[in-house]
Amino acid sequence: QKEVEQNSGPLSVPEGAIASLNCTYSDRGSQSFFWYRQYSGKSPELIMFIYSNGDKEDGRFTAQLNKASQYVSLLIRDSQPSDSATYLCAVKTLTGGGNKLTFGTGTQLKVEL
Amino acid sequence: DGGITQSPKYLFRKEGQNVTLSCEQNLNHDAMYWYRQDPGQGLRLIYYSQIVNDFQKGDIAEGYSVSREKKESFPLTVTSAQKNPTAFYLCASSMDPKQTQYFGPGTRLLVL
Repeated sequence: QKEVEQNSGPLSVPEGAIASLNCTYSDRGSQSFFWYRQYSGKSPELIMFIYSNGDKEDGRFTAQLNKASQYVSLLIRDSQPSDSATYLCAVKTLTGGGNKLTFGTGTQLKVEL
Repeated sequence: DGGITQSPKYLFRKEGQNVTLSCEQNLNHDAMYWYRQDPGQGLRLIYYSQIVNDFQKGDIAEGYSVSREKKESFPLTVTSAQKNPTAFYLCASSMDPKQTQYFGPGTRLLVL
């Protein structure tokens, strides 16, 4: 089982719709959760992070965390063509050597006109 | 203008050659990291450093070496022992190991 799993997509949504991106993780000791956006050929940029169960909103983005189900999601409201990118879920866990950030393989989002 | 810089943007390696990728940050971050990204795969940790003059192996350290002589610099050397070096290399930094990581623009390494 992969430590952090994401559906590779592509996930296609029409402009103005809500895009829902999902991520599951295997380590129950995971402490913090991050969403990065990566445009083709570019480096990842941080969208949001979440530590506590529940929802966290920032503009058009909402991160949702359910530690009991080991599930974290990212909702993008009013999707725009500029949101078309790969979204990487990353999970931080404590290891013997310190904190480790483990990435999923990413979900490709396509926002269509 | 604060941030993380990586150079070069593209790098070509010949068989048997060692090459060094540069990573510099002026964010006053203690922790720095090197990741490798291959198509269809997530980022994989090569090496990380939590403080100057100290670094640890990540998940795929074989064929790579690093140094951390200055807080702002964390160069990565891809040695000839790394048989499949073609990838997108990403450097990241964080205030400390518990904090959010921010990425540089990346270096794309290709083998001639």
